[in-house]
Amino acid sequence: DTTVKQNPRYKLARVGKPVNLICSQTMNHDTMYWYQKKPNQAPKLLLFYYDKILNREADTFEKFQSSRPNNSFCSLYIGSAGLEYSAMYLCASSRDRGNTGQLYFGEGSKLTVL
Amino acid sequence: GQQVKQSSPSLTVQEGGILILNCDYENDMFDYFAWYKKYPDNSPTLLISVRSNVDKREDGRFTVFLNKSGKHFSLHITASQPEDTAVYLCAAGGNVGDNSKLIWGLGTSLVVNP
Repeated sequence: DTTVKQNPRYKLARVGKPVNLICSQTMNHDTMYWYQKKPNQAPKLLLFYYDKILNREADTFEKFQSSRPNNSFCSLYIGSAGLEYSAMYLCASSRDRGNTGQLYFGEGSKLTVL
Repeated sequence: GQQVKQSSPSLTVQEGGILILNCDYENDMFDYFAWYKKYPDNSPTLLISVRSNVDKREDGRFTVFLNKSGKHFSLHITASQPEDTAVYLCAAGGNVGDNSKLIWGLGTSLVVNP
């Protein structure tokens, strides 16, 4: 099974409220990623876990949290959603460390903040 | 500025033709180059990739050409089919330090008419 599963597929949130997005894969991949994708923009890497080590991008460091309780699961947490967080959030996984192997993407979680 | 640029946001061709999608990048430390394909409402999937030790890789109707001195790589599709209609995302990256992440282009929306 090469699928990456994301929940929920659609999320409506109020400004100031928390949001938690979940991703899972059963391929025993070492690395899991979260990307943010807005219309007419390229996917933007937010953070990734290599095994239990979290790497967050400098420009989104304070906006997003994540946890990886085991190899299969990875969450993306927004403590207080703002309008600018409205986007598609894509989870991906890869077998190896580094970003130069094949990425397997989930179908995305579309977040709308009102 | 955008580190990975796709020159055409959209392209329409007739079935059976040859088409070329282009991607330019800025970081000469990149050593991995990939094309992903995305159908509407689906997640991106890897189509073909190449490392910088070769300048060409072919897989069926799909060939990626790499021009390192020009910081350019392209995807050639021969005998195009309506099923090729999709968004094509190019990505480039490396495995060292700040280069160890994939940088994505905005995508080229391809339509192949029967």
